[in-house]
Amino acid sequence: SAVISQKPSRDICQRGTSLTIQCQVDSQVTMMFWYRQQPGQSLTLIATANQGSEATYESGFVIDKFPISRPNLTFSTLTVSNMSPEDSSIYLCSVEVGQRTPHTIYFGEGSWLTVV
Amino acid sequence: GQQVMQIPQYQHVQEGEDFTTYCNSSTTLSNIQWYKQRPGGHPVFLIQLVKSGEVKKQKRLTFQFGEAKKNSSLHITATQTTDVGTYFCAGSGAGSYQLTFGKGTKLSVIP
Repeated sequence: SAVISQKPSRDICQRGTSLTIQCQVDSQVTMMFWYRQQPGQSLTLIATANQGSEATYESGFVIDKFPISRPNLTFSTLTVSNMSPEDSSIYLCSVEVGQRTPHTIYFGEGSWLTVV
Repeated sequence: GQQVMQIPQYQHVQEGEDFTTYCNSSTTLSNIQWYKQRPGGHPVFLIQLVKSGEVKKQKRLTFQFGEAKKNSSLHITATQTTDVGTYFCAGSGAGSYQLTFGKGTKLSVIP
């Protein structure tokens, strides 16, 4: 398993501002994922972050809105830029763990953002 | 693209009754995973199924993976109030690390 810490755990943000979410893992992992879970909804993959390369974004998500950094094998950040109320969501960092494929995915506790 | 459908969306049961949630994929999956999310919490990994026709049990929870690897179910026997939460299935296709999540089944247990 993996222990994943996310900061902040909750925040209330003003419209038009940006917020950076940090994700720290207690072990080195190749792949880190960022998900969004809008209120009462399922999880949607935003992007995959590999160390040493640019993040790969899913359809509907762009780098300008959700820039991601992955400076090393235990850390990643997701920035939610120019926020609007529609960005109010839980943002979840997750990692793959396991010696053999298919790997298991573990989630951080999430960052609950409310945009006002 | 791959779609994962999950039913029912909501289920209210009396404590002690059984509960089942079903998951169907539009394409063949290499594996399926199940997660539980308590109210106010984050998804917690429950189990992963890989083999066709696989059945796994965790105490009162029974997980099945269909023979065609396109559907799965989670059955809870004699529900308890601690079972309350939303149960998500998530699958990935062959050669893909990406998980596609179902919409989840929200379980309420009436004491």
